[in-house]
Amino acid sequence: GENVEQHPSTLSVQEGDSAVIKCTYSDSASNYFPWYKQELGKRPQLIIDIRSNVGEKKDQRIAVTLNKTAKHFSLHITETQPEDSAVYFCAVRPLGGSYIPTFGRGTSLIVHP
Amino acid sequence: KAGVTQTPRYLIKTRGQQVTLSCSPISGHRSVSWYQQTPGQGLQFLFEYFSETQRNKGNFPGRFSGRQFSNSRSEMNVSTLELGDSALYLCASSADRATNEKLFFGSGTQLSVL
Repeated sequence: GENVEQHPSTLSVQEGDSAVIKCTYSDSASNYFPWYKQELGKRPQLIIDIRSNVGEKKDQRIAVTLNKTAKHFSLHITETQPEDSAVYFCAVRPLGGSYIPTFGRGTSLIVHP
Repeated sequence: KAGVTQTPRYLIKTRGQQVTLSCSPISGHRSVSWYQQTPGQGLQFLFEYFSETQRNKGNFPGRFSGRQFSNSRSEMNVSTLELGDSALYLCASSADRATNEKLFFGSGTQLSVL
């Protein structure tokens, strides 16, 4: 099955800095890569996603980049704010088969004011 | 549109008991998936239901079961509870019939097994 590695497990930054979280996957046939944000005590929510035919996608301060050859994708958050503090999960969905996404173990991002 | 609703929010049980969790998906969503979330382990897939049929199943023992009703509401049951079953159980609904692209999660049921 799919294997998703997410790093780092914890990331501490100062307000205004950039944060980068990286995920690697094993199945080259995977075609959909979402990122979910889970604030403390809240539900995970989709914040951005990318498909395999696109190399980069941006939405205001967040962006995702995909390197299909190397089988990794990254979440970039610029000008971090305290409200960005949360656990971020990457996921990889296979093309075909069950279509069930496999999640990374999560990155706890702490933004210090 | 109301979001995904899970009940109850918290549950405390003792070993050996059984428990039933409920999930109401977003109106019009027919796919419901269940995940177990534990610290450091991310989200582990339990099973997925579509049109009252279990379409996919993760690597969990048979003590974990579920079902889906004609109105797409889903229940998950865990029998003979073990301490290791303590976790946050999340359900997610999806509008996409076969591709489960965008998942909408509920707030979860926090299960504590004593």
